[in-house]
Amino acid sequence: DAGITQSPRYKITETGRQVTLMCHQTWSHSYMFWYRQDLGHGLRLIYYSAAADITDKGEVPDGYVVSRSKTENFPLTLESATRSQTSVYFCASRTQGEGLSAYYEQYFGPGTRLTVT
Amino acid sequence: AQTVTQSQPEMSVQEAETVTLSCTYDTSESDYYLFWYKQPPSRQMILVIRQEAYKQQNATENRFSVNFQKAAKSFSLKISDSQLGDAAMYFCAYRSAGDDKIIFGKGTRLHILP
Repeated sequence: DAGITQSPRYKITETGRQVTLMCHQTWSHSYMFWYRQDLGHGLRLIYYSAAADITDKGEVPDGYVVSRSKTENFPLTLESATRSQTSVYFCASRTQGEGLSAYYEQYFGPGTRLTVT
Repeated sequence: AQTVTQSQPEMSVQEAETVTLSCTYDTSESDYYLFWYKQPPSRQMILVIRQEAYKQQNATENRFSVNFQKAAKSFSLKISDSQLGDAAMYFCAYRSAGDDKIIFGKGTRLHILP
């Protein structure tokens, strides 16, 4: 299916375990993003990537690791999950755009609800 | 640093009535974009409307329109003829034209009363 997908959609894990959330997009978009959504906080950026092998920290990167070996995939890993990482995680992608002020729409995946017990 | 503030955590409106959701933002930039996203119970993030800061005319998409006050740094969303399907969380968001990242407000949950 064309678009942006996330897997799994729901995940329960235990404190201290490693868990990886997958994100895949079929548009060959340059940019990909990971957000977490928590009550009272809206969406906060964890990491983003401008292209394969280029990643950068967002607002709340601690406790997370990302990689981007292929343009279409942008996995997010919690190396040692903590209860504070219980959240809904959204992946997003967009084109690079043309020109500094070009508008480009950001497309979101369906989200992954992660519970750390 | 840029910030986006939505001062109304929850709002309710009668079906077919009009409701306005408030949003203010803080930035020193002159070239930027503003957005309203809708998140229904399905969790999917849906772009409702966008506004380019250099445009004086307020954006409109069917029943959705904005009141963009650049000097006041205000960006409210008006929903006319509210429908049950409009019930959702609404997020105001900002992006500087030269930046990669979108900054979101904390959201306003909108209830539609039948």
